[in-house]
Amino acid sequence: KQEVTQIPAALSVPEGENLVLNCSFTDSAIYNLQWFRQDPGKGLTSLLLIQSSQREQTSGRLNASLDKSSGRSTLYIAASQPGDSATYLCAGMNNAGNMLTFGGGTRLMVKP
Amino acid sequence: DTAVSQTPKYLVTQMGNDKSIKCEQNLGHDTMYWYKQDSKKFLKIMFSYNNKELIINETVPNRFSPKSPDKAHLNLHINSLELGDSAVYFCASSRTGNTIYFGEGSWLTVV
Repeated sequence: KQEVTQIPAALSVPEGENLVLNCSFTDSAIYNLQWFRQDPGKGLTSLLLIQSSQREQTSGRLNASLDKSSGRSTLYIAASQPGDSATYLCAGMNNAGNMLTFGGGTRLMVKP
Repeated sequence: DTAVSQTPKYLVTQMGNDKSIKCEQNLGHDTMYWYKQDSKKFLKIMFSYNNKELIINETVPNRFSPKSPDKAHLNLHINSLELGDSAVYFCASSRTGNTIYFGEGSWLTVV
């Protein structure tokens, strides 16, 4: 059964810093790996999706990588801003493409 | 236009009651889901439906009964509510294997 772990659970950085959020998964037979953002009291917003055949995806200041062999994904945020403060969740999709297993999230605070 | 909408957003009810949460998606997706986010913010899948057919039921008590009248709707009915059912319930949808889009959540409090 897939298990997804995110480290650290919480992170506080000053504005402008580059940072890396880590995600690890136990079953490398994933269809894709997705990163989401969740603001307090809100739903999840999709950030990036990396197909199992891909190594990375980029969107603006965000870059996500995937290493299936080691069961790891990272989300890199460049030049962090206070508006980036949120909980970031990674999730692995099963091979059937019909279920996401989530990590516990990393709660990020970017201080002005 | 809201892609995945669920109602109600907030629900406070007494133990033992029966309640429903409705979900609709206008994205033309073939797969819909219900996820539960507990007090520790951990998200766990409850059900997954593909083209109105149940394909995943993750050991959810049978007090929870999903119903999909058509591909655009997936409702969740909960019987005999218990204190431990208090959580945020998220509906979501996707094309199989693609990005999953989530609703804003329904905050259920059982008192």
